[in-house]
Amino acid sequence: AQRVTQPEKLLSVFKGAPVELKCNYSYSGSPELFWYVQYSRQRLQLLLRHISRESIKGFTADLNKGETSFHLKKPFAQEEDSAMYYCALRGNNRLAFGKGNQVVVIP
Amino acid sequence: DVKVTQSSRYLVKRTGEKVFLECVQDMDHENMFWYRQDPGLGLRLIYFSYDVKMKEKGDIPEGYSVSREKKERFSLILESASTNQTSMYLCASSGGLNTEAFFGQGTRLTVV
Repeated sequence: AQRVTQPEKLLSVFKGAPVELKCNYSYSGSPELFWYVQYSRQRLQLLLRHISRESIKGFTADLNKGETSFHLKKPFAQEEDSAMYYCALRGNNRLAFGKGNQVVVIP
Repeated sequence: DVKVTQSSRYLVKRTGEKVFLECVQDMDHENMFWYRQDPGLGLRLIYFSYDVKMKEKGDIPEGYSVSREKKERFSLILESASTNQTSMYLCASSGGLNTEAFFGQGTRLTVV
């Protein structure tokens, strides 16, 4: 069985402060991990995937297989980062999501 | 350039009705998914399909069924709608390994 855990539900940060969203997973195989974002009144969309190892909108995420984690980080939050963020794991054709983090960036 | 389209944005149905939610994708994706999205519970997988006529149960399949007769279309069926099925329903599709999933705009279903 695969499981994705995002411990915090709501994260409020001041503009310019660092953001870190935690994601832990359980999966017996080799995981495909993603972060998705949903801005207000928009569709859920891909933010980044572990295989790409790239920075998108200043966000990065590193897969740590030893700790089974895929935490999302951004050094300086911007107001436009206010959104709902979901960690996702794909395995055996199934795509499972965590419960999500609501991020509010305070001006 | 809408890629995943859900047939309705809002639906209101009565308890006991049979409800069909339709989803169409134009990217020739093998994989399609149905989720419900509830505050505090995130996205919960109801059913998914990795090929035409193939389907697998997700984490909360009770009270739902699906149909995939054509590659581009994946339907979610509520056999007898109940008030606890009031929710936002999201459809998604994706291709092969490590590919992005594309989501529909969602259907807000209210069962009264």
